[in-house]
Amino acid sequence: AQSVAQPEDQVNVAEGNPLTVKCTYSVSGNPYLFWYVQYPNRGLQFLLKYITGDNLVKGSYGFEAEFNKSQTSFHLKKPSALVSDSALYFCAVTEGFKTIFGAGTRLFVKA
Amino acid sequence: DTGVSQDPRHKITKRGQNVTFRCDPISEHNRLYWYRQTLGQGPEFLTYFQNEAQLEKSRLLSNRFSAERPKGSFSTLEIQRTEQGDSAMYLCASSFDPIRDSSNTGELFFGEGSRLTVL
Repeated sequence: AQSVAQPEDQVNVAEGNPLTVKCTYSVSGNPYLFWYVQYPNRGLQFLLKYITGDNLVKGSYGFEAEFNKSQTSFHLKKPSALVSDSALYFCAVTEGFKTIFGAGTRLFVKA
Repeated sequence: DTGVSQDPRHKITKRGQNVTFRCDPISEHNRLYWYRQTLGQGPEFLTYFQNEAQLEKSRLLSNRFSAERPKGSFSTLEIQRTEQGDSAMYLCASSFDPIRDSSNTGELFFGEGSRLTVL
């Protein structure tokens, strides 16, 4: 079965600094990988996805993610964090019609 | 607003009562999903519809849970004889069918969720 792991419950970063939110995956074939963000009292929003092609994918709000097949990782990155980036971030992988989510990482950006 | 809408946003009920949640997906989407999210966890898959057909329901948590999508548009999730352990956020999502739309690769569009509190 496919799965994703987010090893950090929380990531703290100062505004203006680069941020990384980690994700590793386990799949039996070629992965379809996603990042979603959940702001307080809001539904999950799609950020970006990796299907095939370039290992670095760009998404909404200046976020990007790097697919690393040898390390089975798909870390979310942003060069310069904003206080408004503070939210809950979920890594996900599709298995057929089903999307499987990690437990989430709370990002806290301090001004 | 043509996003996914869910109703009610918050339901408080007593143990043993039945509750029903409604989801209206994005109109162009033929896939509809229900997920459950508890505090500190990611969304947990419950069931999935393609049009009106429920193609996967093995993850529904017990026979007290049932879902319908009678006309392939809106969907309902019913929980009978609620228990305190059912307290959670119930999320609905919709998506395009990648087979029908090869340019789409299955990202989900979520509603804001229906929070259930069982006393």
